[in-house]
Amino acid sequence: QSALTQPASVSGSPGQSITISCIGTSSDVGAYNYVSWYQQHPGKAPKLMIYDVTSRPSGVSNRFSGSKSGNTASLTISGLQAADEGDYYCSSYTTRSTRVFGGGTKLTVL
Amino acid sequence: EVQLVESGGGLVKPGGSLRLSCAASGFTFSPYTMNWVRQAPGKGLEWVSSINGRSNYIYYADSVKGRFTISRDNAKNSLYLQMNSLRAEDTAVYYCTRDLAVAGRYYYGMDVWGQGTTVTASS
Repeated sequence: QSALTQPASVSGSPGQSITISCIGTSSDVGAYNYVSWYQQHPGKAPKLMIYDVTSRPSGVSNRFSGSKSGNTASLTISGLQAADEGDYYCSSYTTRSTRVFGGGTKLTVL
Repeated sequence: EVQLVESGGGLVKPGGSLRLSCAASGFTFSPYTMNWVRQAPGKGLEWVSSINGRSNYIYYADSVKGRFTISRDNAKNSLYLQMNSLRAEDTAVYYCTRDLAVAGRYYYGMDVWGQGTTVTASS
């Protein structure tokens, strides 16, 4: 059960767009459309931002969007805001019926 | 208000045991798949275990298999994690989470998280 691979950090200026990648294998990301993304602010519990690769839960801004190609999923945040700063984690359901998270990406809004 | 409240964390010596509890409120607990997710100090999220509503589908991470047991009591709206043979590397904040449901369909995203309970395995 190796963790999914995410960049350690990304940054962008307010108003810009950024993309965070999440690389898995044919046993997790590539197997199903069951990738989710979470935002975590310091000292807080994570918040679900995207599920099933592209779907947003009620209340999540449409500035957040997800996609997938093969074994790689991506989270794009457009119109970057200061409040978007924090840690982002991808997660996938696997062929063993388990879940796996990525190592996390720290987003800095410059 | 939909809420999950964990309890039972604390300091335990390596090799010891601990039982975590998660009290659910504000929603009908029984149909939902529930999970435990942990986060070691300064580290990322790690999925620990999942249990479906009827407790007939249970899964564990390889790192805890054979040592941890997940269970639930739908009559008490509660989720549990029995942790035995604890190791230093089990030190983490443990979160109780709920899988998302929309219009009666269930998904693999975790839409409700508790505040977490801290487990420290140290001599």
